Amino acid sequence: EAGVVQSPRYKIIEKKQPVAFWCNPISGHNTLYWYLQNLGQGPELLIRYENEEAVDDSQLPKDRFSAERLKGVDSTLKIQPAELGDSAVYLCASSFHTGNEQFFGPGTRLTVL
Amino acid sequence: DQQVKQNSPSLSVQEGRISILNCDYTNSMFDYFLWYKKYPAEGPTFLISISSIKDKNEDGRFTVFLNKSAKHLSLHIVPSQPGDSAVYFCAAFTSGTYKYIFGTGTRLKVLA
Repeated sequence: EAGVVQSPRYKIIEKKQPVAFWCNPISGHNTLYWYLQNLGQGPELLIRYENEEAVDDSQLPKDRFSAERLKGVDSTLKIQPAELGDSAVYLCASSFHTGNEQFFGPGTRLTVL
Repeated sequence: DQQVKQNSPSLSVQEGRISILNCDYTNSMFDYFLWYKKYPAEGPTFLISISSIKDKNEDGRFTVFLNKSAKHLSLHIVPSQPGDSAVYFCAAFTSGTYKYIFGTGTRLKVLA
């Protein structure tokens, strides 16, 4: 069974440019998470979806970040415009339901120049 | 406010010896604790968990201990193997908010 798929794995952009990350969770997993991981830190939740509904986006900087999970399967996280401080690894995770074990993807390493 | 703390950023252990990774937390509302292991360029993978109503959970070479009065948990790996070299994150979960809070990680190096 395929794990959580993320693309791209690496992205380098200049500041003020837009960027998008894609995540395909494990088949059948209803809950999808986007996390931000800065260097030397643990993952921090940005947004949690249950099916297509964003049930917790309290940590998502909504002035520049947006996310969608239109059909309750794959998801896209967008940053527009990117800032230097957005350089980090963006992790996607999924679980069968909220509270069950999370499975993480490999992450997208974003570098903003 | 760091609710979950891993105060040791790194740890080196000889192969075959015990590795002990520590984690402290401040929120008494956490009711589930987890340990994740992360290799470079990969996402974290679940290792072992413990409910707040228990004080020990064991899975093969891995044992997690929970001391609720001290708000402290630890992961014991015995015997340690070179393949255990990774970054270990502890995480705490609150069923009321469904939030996972991660610590900053401890890099374990097992020396052959």
